[in-house]
Amino acid sequence: ILNVEQSPQSLHVQEGDSTNFTCSFPSSNFYALHWYRWETAKSPEALFVMTLNGDEKKKGRISATLNTKEGYSYLYIKGSQPEDSATYLCAFMQSGGSQGNLIFGKGTKLSVKP
Amino acid sequence: EPEVTQTPSHQVTQMGQEVILRCVPISNHLYFYWYRQILGQKVEFLVSFYNNEISEKSEIFDDQFSVERPDGSNFTLKIRSTKLEDSAMYFCASRKTPGQVNTEAFFGQGTRLTVV
Repeated sequence: ILNVEQSPQSLHVQEGDSTNFTCSFPSSNFYALHWYRWETAKSPEALFVMTLNGDEKKKGRISATLNTKEGYSYLYIKGSQPEDSATYLCAFMQSGGSQGNLIFGKGTKLSVKP
Repeated sequence: EPEVTQTPSHQVTQMGQEVILRCVPISNHLYFYWYRQILGQKVEFLVSFYNNEISEKSEIFDDQFSVERPDGSNFTLKIRSTKLEDSAMYFCASRKTPGQVNTEAFFGQGTRLTVV
């Protein structure tokens, strides 16, 4: 059974703090790693799709890195704002087979206090 | 901007009843998914669908579940005889093509199913 782990489960930070969280996934048969942002009462929205070892992607204050050899990805938020409050999900895609199945972690719930 | 739409947003049903959850994926997408999230738990994969057939399914997706693409736009999930433990938020998602590794999935807003 493929397991995708995210830590921490939840995080409370003050506005302006920078923060980061981790996604761990199987290091074998890697195909892609997705990050999604999920706000309450909305649908998950894609942040990044990462495919290459050493990839680093950035969108505004949010960035992500990828290490496929050791099976982890970090998501960083610089200068957190209250509107960053959401659950951040990572999803692993394995090569072989259908190549389409996304296996999700449980998510990291971020709360940013003004 | 194109989006995945799901109906209804909330459905309450009695145990043992059949339910059909509906999804309209983005029109030029070819790969469809159903996921669910039981309250407090992780998002779980149910089934993926490509080229008018099931591509992959999880252990959760037993004989009580079925999916269908009855026309060119809708993608439905049917639960034949609902159980209390089927209560969850059900998400539909679509991707453009499975062959392009760097395409993200687009999710609908979900259907909250409550089985009483």
